[in-house]
Amino acid sequence: DADVTQTPRNRITKTGKRIMLECSQTKGHDRMYWYRQDPGLGLRLIYYSFDVKDINKGEISDGYSVSRQAQAKFSLSLESAIPNQTALYFCATSDPRQGAGELFFGEGSRLTVL
Amino acid sequence: KQEVTQIPAALSVPEGENLVLNCSFTDSAIYNLQWFRQDPGKGLTSLLLIQSSQREQTSGRLNASLDKSSGRSTLYIAASQPGDSATYLCAVNGGATNKLIFGTGTLLAVQP
Repeated sequence: DADVTQTPRNRITKTGKRIMLECSQTKGHDRMYWYRQDPGLGLRLIYYSFDVKDINKGEISDGYSVSRQAQAKFSLSLESAIPNQTALYFCATSDPRQGAGELFFGEGSRLTVL
Repeated sequence: KQEVTQIPAALSVPEGENLVLNCSFTDSAIYNLQWFRQDPGKGLTSLLLIQSSQREQTSGRLNASLDKSSGRSTLYIAASQPGDSATYLCAVNGGATNKLIFGTGTLLAVQP
């Protein structure tokens, strides 16, 4: 089983719908992140969380919200999806107390907004 | 604002060649730099992480170097194999928060 699991892996939805992408991890890391990847733009940080009570905006948080339900779970919501939110979304975890603090990524959730 | 650039955007080499992928960044005040591999339809796999105090890191056929003063890192792949075909991404971490700034990647194809 993957250490960082994202659901759903693929989702097609319509403009205006509410969408939730979920991430769970078994690595025991405190820090969790949501990134989106677009062709030609690389990965950009949406939100990050250092623990259940600590949530921070990244560089492109507009139109998104997050919830850290537990140390192991970090969800990303699009309250009213729009077509330019079509992208590949990645969840990642890290813990500076373990190893070199590198990030571990899930396999991604591909979202298409029509 | 930190900007990360990777050149070339795509590279095709015959099997067995040694190759170098380049990453440059505009702000030398970095905490660490990470190289990732991404296979089609998959997530990112961490290859190497270089702390700001280090000059290089090695793992198997991979060697990553860091020159903070010039804002450059290279990923050297020795004796390339078709299984090395993937997109390689570098990411710069400006502080202990691990808020990475990514380059757009180099798509590598190793021809058998």
